[in-house]
Order: sequence, then C-alpha cells, then structure tokens
Amino acid sequence: EVQLVESGGGLVQPGGSLRLSCAGSGFTFSSYWMHWVRQAPGKGLVWVSRINSDGSSTTYADSVKGRFTISRDNAKNTLYLQMNSLRADDTAVYYCARGIGAATVFDYWGQGTLVTVSS
Amino acid sequence: DTVMTQSPDSLAVSLGERATINCKSSQSILNSSNNKNYLAWYQQRPGQPPKLLIYWASMRESGVPDRFSGSGSGTDFTLTISSLQTEDVALYYCQQYYSSPSTFGQGTKLEIK
Repeated sequence: EVQLVESGGGLVQPGGSLRLSCAGSGFTFSSYWMHWVRQAPGKGLVWVSRINSDGSSTTYADSVKGRFTISRDNAKNTLYLQMNSLRADDTAVYYCARGIGAATVFDYWGQGTLVTVSS
Repeated sequence: DTVMTQSPDSLAVSLGERATINCKSSQSILNSSNNKNYLAWYQQRPGQPPKLLIYWASMRESGVPDRFSGSGSGTDFTLTISSLQTEDVALYYCQQYYSSPSTFGQGTKLEIK
C-alpha cells in the first residue's frame, strides 16, 4: 500500500524557518517525481514545488521561489521542503503528493501537515 | 498563469440524480502533438486530502467508480457523476497541468438536495 506521511509542521514566527518531511513507503520512491501542494485554511489547492526522481531538477511556484527549497533523499525514501523567510500567507496545510510520470498530476497524497505563521 | 474557473461554486443534487461540474481554462490545455488534454479532477472530502478521480480529461483513476466520468477538450471540461451517492458529498477541483505552474480551479461544493 502506498503511503505518504508528512511531518514537521507547527507554529513559526514571521521570518522564521521550518523543514517539512514526507516519508514514502509501499512503492519505489526513487522512481517517482514528487510534489508539494498547499491549502490555506478554507481555501483551494495551490501547487508549490516539484522535484524529479533523482533530485537533479526542481521547480517552484513564483510565490515561494527563493524562499523554499525542495529536496529528497532516495536512500531514506524521504522528501523535504525547507521553508525560509516565512510569511503569514504561507499558513496552510502542506501536502506531499506523488506524480504520475513527469506530469504534474497527483495519484497519491499524504494527510498533510499544518504550518501556521504567526507572531 | 492559466486560470481555471469552475461552475457552479456549489451544487445540490438529489440522491440518484446526475451531477455536472464545469471547468474552463483561460487558454487551451490540449497538446496537439499527442492529442491529450492536460486536465485532472480531484475529490476532497472534509478533513481529507484530495483524491484523484480523472486525468487526461477522461481517464478514470484505478478504483474510481464508473459513475464518475470526465469529458471536454481545449478549454471546456466537465465532470459528471451519473447517479449521486451519499459518499460523493465533497469539494471537487479541476487542475491543469499543461503549463507551469500547474493551477487548480476554485472548487465546487457538492451537496445532497
């Protein structure tokens, strides 16, 4: 059974940093492109970032470019999102999701981890 | 960015009746080289992550009941639930993945009448 389990969310002050993790199991993690998608409370879905299967290529939404870094450790079957210079509008549930091939469409999602940016 | 606009914002349908949700993209998401529309539909029940229903506009994800179907091409797409069940109460999102950044519609809330 495919499972994605996020961790690392919490309350952080504006300007602070947080690192999210997503542990994958039940599939060959190193074969899949992986993504982060976020959802502000009561709002819609917003794609944040993606990384290819070997970690050599990454892409970001303009809203997080230069502040967030996606990475992966295929030996540990884990995806990361390093978030710096956090702002109030980064407050959201962050989901990791598995891509279908190189397409930015997601067949499995984690349960999400809540990041709250507030003083 | 490609803007995805869903209609209606909310919808109430009787059990066993048909539900139809529309999605319009601000530019074509049809790739003429492979004749594929880069459009997906997701279902999100309260407190749950989204679940993939349809991709390539009309390809049903494995395990999704066949009462769910997707259609359309170019800029206009439709998700149809042929016979509404209680477990279909949820938010539904369309998503384009033709151009970066991938973008979602604002969501359609489906309820029982």
